[in-house]
Amino acid sequence: EDQVTQSPEALRLQEGESSSLNCSYTVSGLRGLFWYRQDPGKGPEFLFTLYSAGEEKEKERLKATLTKKESFLHITAPKPEDSATYLCAVLNYGGSQGNLIFGKGTKLSVKP
Amino acid sequence: DVKVTQSSRYLVKRTGEKVFLECVQDMDHENMFWYRQDPGLGLRLIYFSYDVKMKEKGDIPEGYSVSREKKERFSLILESASTNQTSMYLCASSSYRTYGYTTFGSGTRLTVV
Repeated sequence: EDQVTQSPEALRLQEGESSSLNCSYTVSGLRGLFWYRQDPGKGPEFLFTLYSAGEEKEKERLKATLTKKESFLHITAPKPEDSATYLCAVLNYGGSQGNLIFGKGTKLSVKP
Repeated sequence: DVKVTQSSRYLVKRTGEKVFLECVQDMDHENMFWYRQDPGLGLRLIYFSYDVKMKEKGDIPEGYSVSREKKERFSLILESASTNQTSMYLCASSSYRTYGYTTFGSGTRLTVV
């Protein structure tokens, strides 16, 4: 069964304290891995798509990387406004058009 | 700015009521989705549609139905609302051209009393 597991469930950081969020996956054939940010009471907002092992994408303090079994979201020198839930999702070859399988998310809190 | 718009941010309904959640997208996307999101359970797919009048069951379709009469509009219907359907409902859309890049609406917080 296709599965996406995110860890940790929750992460508390001090402002400026860099860390990483993990997303491990087991899918029959990966077509793409997606990172989303979700603020409380709002819908997920797209951050990155990664398609192949070794690929990296960056946006401001965030950097996403991909291996054959997992992805990392690295947060460098985070600020309080980076506090949110970060969701990982995969699109597999076995699914119907555009079907994403989501992890349960990592809730990040950054304290000033 | 491209958008997925859900008709209500907050809804309170009574047990047994028929509830309609409406979603409209302006991106000419072929695919549309309904998810529900609950603490500790993450996002779970209820139904999706990859074309007008087409629909497929997701992971948790029981107690729900959908309608897609026009490409831009996808409705979720709770035939007889129950308290265990209290949740955040998220609509989303994507195009087969962009390999799963999915845009979400802001969500509808439904409370069934």
